[in-house]
Amino acid sequence: QKEVEQNSGPLSVPEGAIASLNCTYSDRVSQSFFWYRQYSGKSPELIMSIYSNGDKEDGRFTAQLNKASQYVSLLIRDSQPSDSATYLCAVIDSGGSNYKLTFGKGTLLTVNP
Amino acid sequence: SAVISQKPSRDICQRGTSLTIQCQVDSQVTMMFWYRQQPGQSLTLIATANQGSEATYESGFVIDKFPISRPNLTFSTLTVSNMSPEDSSIYLCSVGTNSYEQYFGPGTRLTVT
Repeated sequence: QKEVEQNSGPLSVPEGAIASLNCTYSDRVSQSFFWYRQYSGKSPELIMSIYSNGDKEDGRFTAQLNKASQYVSLLIRDSQPSDSATYLCAVIDSGGSNYKLTFGKGTLLTVNP
Repeated sequence: SAVISQKPSRDICQRGTSLTIQCQVDSQVTMMFWYRQQPGQSLTLIATANQGSEATYESGFVIDKFPISRPNLTFSTLTVSNMSPEDSSIYLCSVGTNSYEQYFGPGTRLTVT
């Protein structure tokens, strides 16, 4: 059973701080990694995709991937109260013809004004 | 990204009955997926529904309980059969892209009494 583990949280940061969310995965073959944001009562929203080792930046969000260590992280700079949500890490299993996502349990982030 | 709608958005059903959930996409997609998210939990993949082939079910999910149809490239249905209170959950459809990203519909909140 392929596993995706996230820091359990909840994570609370003050407004303007950097929020750091971490994720490890068990499948060494995995090649595609995603971060979703889920507001309470809403469906998950894709915010970052990363496929290669290193950093990928998109606005205030930076995803970091280290395949050798099997971890992927998400940094949120200048955190805002509107960033308060559950963040889900997802890893693709590209075996066969169906691209299945395995999700972590999520980390609840609260940004305090 | 594609616009995805689901019907119904929520329903309350009696045990022993069945509910069919519809997922409509505004563009043609090859890969569609059905997930379940139980209260306070992460997402669990039920099955992959690719047009032109039988749905592929994950361990713990069977066709008799969760029959799926995929008649064309923009539409799919998931039926929850012979429901019990344990089936109370949010059911989500998603669509996959060639870059392995998945985008989710708004979800169907099901309560079984």
